[in-house]
Amino acid sequence: SQQGEEDPQALSIQEGENATMNCSYKTSINNLQWYRQNSGRGLVHLILIRSNEREKHSGRLRVTLDTSKKSSSLLITASRAADTASYFCATDVLGTGRRALTFGSGTRLQVQP
Amino acid sequence: DGGITQSPKYLFRKEGQNVTLSCEQNLNHDAMYWYRQDPGQGLRLIYYSQIVNDFQKGDIAEGYSVSREKKESFPLTVTSAQKNPTAFYLCASSTPPRGSYNEQFFGPGTRLTVL
Repeated sequence: SQQGEEDPQALSIQEGENATMNCSYKTSINNLQWYRQNSGRGLVHLILIRSNEREKHSGRLRVTLDTSKKSSSLLITASRAADTASYFCATDVLGTGRRALTFGSGTRLQVQP
Repeated sequence: DGGITQSPKYLFRKEGQNVTLSCEQNLNHDAMYWYRQDPGQGLRLIYYSQIVNDFQKGDIAEGYSVSREKKESFPLTVTSAQKNPTAFYLCASSTPPRGSYNEQFFGPGTRLTVL
C-alpha cells in the first residue's frame, strides 16, 4: 500500500452531520496536509499539521495527528452540501531528500441536502 | 490576480504524437510540480523542480519530459513513449520548504485524451 491512504474510500452523510476521514502513512514525516478537490478541478489546501502538533482547528475543520500510530483524521463538523468533494491527505516525508508531497488516494464525501 | 494557470483545459492527442501542457504561475514560487490523476485515484508525481534550470524525476517520469527555463513556467511534454497518457494532469507550485512548511497551490488541470 502507498504512503498516505485514506479511509473510508467513500462516505455519504446528511447535511448537518459530522464527517470523519482517516489517513494512515508509513514513514516519518515533517508535516501532514489535507486538500480538497471538487470534481474535475484542482486541489485546494485546507490545513497543515506539523509532526510536533497533535490537533489543529480551522473553522469547521479539526485535524488530529498521532505520529506513534502514523495516522491522522480530518473532521468536518456540521457538514453542508457544498462540502461534497474528494479529500486527500498528503505527507511531507522526512529524510528522503525528496522535496515533494506524497498524496493518498482520497475519500469521496457526498453530503446529501 | 495571483495564481497558477494551466492550458489547455482539454487536449486530444493522436497515438504517436507528442503534446505539451502549459503551466504558468505568478506567485513568485520557486518550486513547481506535475502530477497525474487517473479516475477515482490520488495524485502521482511525474516531475518536480525546486529552482530554475533544475528538475527531478518523480514516481512516474517515464514517457514525460519537462523544462524549467523560467521561474514562472514549467511545461510538461507527454511523449509517444508514454503508453497510457489519458489522464487528468495537475500542476502545482510552492515556496521551497522552510522548516516544515510547503503548502502547494494547484492549477485547474488539463484533461488529456488519446484518440
